[in-house]
Amino acid sequence: DGGITQSPKYLFRKEGQNVTLSCEQNLNHDAMYWYRQDPGQGLRLIYYSQIVNDFQKGDIAEGYSVSREKKESFPLTVTSAQKNPTAFYLCASSTAAGNTIYFGEGSWLTVV
Amino acid sequence: AQSVSQHNHHVILSEAASLELGCNYSYGGTVNLFWYVQYPGQHLQLLLKYFSGDPLVKGIKGFEAEFIKSKFSFNLRKPSVQWSDTAEYFCAVSTGRRALTFGSGTRLQVQP
Repeated sequence: DGGITQSPKYLFRKEGQNVTLSCEQNLNHDAMYWYRQDPGQGLRLIYYSQIVNDFQKGDIAEGYSVSREKKESFPLTVTSAQKNPTAFYLCASSTAAGNTIYFGEGSWLTVV
Repeated sequence: AQSVSQHNHHVILSEAASLELGCNYSYGGTVNLFWYVQYPGQHLQLLLKYFSGDPLVKGIKGFEAEFIKSKFSFNLRKPSVQWSDTAEYFCAVSTGRRALTFGSGTRLQVQP
């Protein structure tokens, strides 16, 4: 089935550690996105990529990094510089026209 | 920069009541507008979208939304809600940048 796969679904991290969240899509979409969801704040854009080997910062990029070496993959690294990383992270993808964006099932990150 | 406001943060209705959730956006150019729903424990699903044409858009599960350009609004409506409509609803807008900007969400609770 076509779709977006995020892994892991649940992740615990110790303070000071970097962690990478995986996002893979087999929809042949050009564009991919990472959002963070916090209660009462909706979804906020972290990074997005409209084409391989290119990406742009979103509204809350500080403390995060991404790469887009392959069309189907857009991993997100939450670095130790991110002061409040505990959140629900959503990956999404769309065609170049951006008509409809499809979301993965999300990854819960908890810093302990 | 584009932004989206959802003024109703938590709405409680009885079954069969009518629903209207407000959504206002700030952006002077052409926009694409979306409503997404997130049922408890599930991932985001697209309810409906507006790109152009008839400003009254019908979506899944009996929902509709009306785009009023002069008011920068895209309110979501349903004539008669059901208990199964209990969920969080997000309004979103995309512009030339094509990355969705979300509102903070409205939690709808329908009481049987």
